[in-house]
Amino acid sequence: NAGVTQTPKFQVLKTGQSMTLQCAQDMNHEYMSWYRQDPGMGLRLIHYSVGAGITDQGEVPNGYNVSRSTTEDFPLRLLSAAPSQTSVYFCASRNGLAGAGQFFGPGTRLTVL
Amino acid sequence: KNQVEQSPQSLIILEGKNCTLQCNYTVSPFSNLRWYKQDTGRGPVSLTIMTFSENTKSNGRYTATLDADTKQSSLHITASQLSDSASYICVVSDQNSGYALNFGKGTSLLVTP
Repeated sequence: NAGVTQTPKFQVLKTGQSMTLQCAQDMNHEYMSWYRQDPGMGLRLIHYSVGAGITDQGEVPNGYNVSRSTTEDFPLRLLSAAPSQTSVYFCASRNGLAGAGQFFGPGTRLTVL
Repeated sequence: KNQVEQSPQSLIILEGKNCTLQCNYTVSPFSNLRWYKQDTGRGPVSLTIMTFSENTKSNGRYTATLDADTKQSSLHITASQLSDSASYICVVSDQNSGYALNFGKGTSLLVTP
């Protein structure tokens, strides 16, 4: 199993550009989520999905969109990038409720100029 | 509001020494607590999980303790190695939230030769 994979590993955008961060998992997990990690802030939940076709907002959803058309994939879209979105983004998946172990991807380091 | 506080924020120790990291939480009703290790440039990886009835859980040189009465957990690292240099994140889930997790901001540990 590849686990949770993310692409790209690094990305530089200009303010106003849009892009999609890809996330895929091969463990047939129902629950997938996106976090951003900033220095001194810890991991903050952006959006999550409890299954194909179902998504919901987390703590910091503004400026981001998600969709879940398949169990495996959970892309994160930046509609119009802003310097405040410079961060490291982690995708995670787990099988079920909060008690289950969460598997994180390797992260995408995004810089918005 | 559910909160998870970790201390110290950062720690430097000599190789071979022991250390203890602390996690205090206000999450209620408590479901479980996990410690994650995050190496630089990588996603977090689960070290231990503890439920309400467990006081101690070990994973090699890592030993986690839980005092559900005082809502405190500690992660003890024995005979530290250079590879222990990482950020250690405490994550607590509650019985009512279903999918939500409460993250601490992490303790950054540096083990020096």
